[in-house]
Amino acid sequence: KAGVTQTPRYLIKTRGQQVTLSCSPISGHRSVSWYQQTPGQGLQFLFEYFSETQRNKGNFPGRFSGRQFSNSRSEMNVSTLELGDSALYLCASSSLADTDTQYFGPGTRLTVL
Amino acid sequence: DAKTTQPPSMDCAEGRAANLPCNHSTISGNEYVYWYRQIHSQGPQYIIHGLKNNETNEMASLIITEDRKSSTLILPHATLRDTAVYYCIVRPANSGYALNFGKGTSLLVTP
Repeated sequence: KAGVTQTPRYLIKTRGQQVTLSCSPISGHRSVSWYQQTPGQGLQFLFEYFSETQRNKGNFPGRFSGRQFSNSRSEMNVSTLELGDSALYLCASSSLADTDTQYFGPGTRLTVL
Repeated sequence: DAKTTQPPSMDCAEGRAANLPCNHSTISGNEYVYWYRQIHSQGPQYIIHGLKNNETNEMASLIITEDRKSSTLILPHATLRDTAVYYCIVRPANSGYALNFGKGTSLLVTP
């Protein structure tokens, strides 16, 4: 079956703008998690959604938000972009039965100028 | 989650076994050892996990010491495509969706 897909793959924005990234999980997976990866901080957990509800949240400012739709697709939004938000944003999906095997998408590379 | 320690980098010749160590001396009785890897510019990929018995699948073998304070991921016949960052993660099973990846080991497989 198809893997996790993320759009767009690359994005360039300027400081102060906002951005929305999209993630479609593996068919049948209802949990979607988001991670930020930077050279300095590595992979950091942003938040996780299940059945349209945010269940877990990492230590990120309120500028980072997300949502999940009834078809399990998820979006994350970053408002008032800062240079430090430049990163690879990864989405992962997992099944309810096995939350520790997370299937990652290819990521969206965001560059903030 | 228990803290893990991995060497920052390792080399391995193509065709040889790659043995990646992970120290988790503070592991609790209900915590599993998970391994993921990330090939450059791709999303992380699940490899294997175990509690106390050695585990093997089509990708790798996981050897956990009897006291569970350390483990070794073994890629039996490394190929160039195995060049990646390997992450050892220790946590209770089904404890949530936040994986703590740490810094991992950068494995370079050479021809």
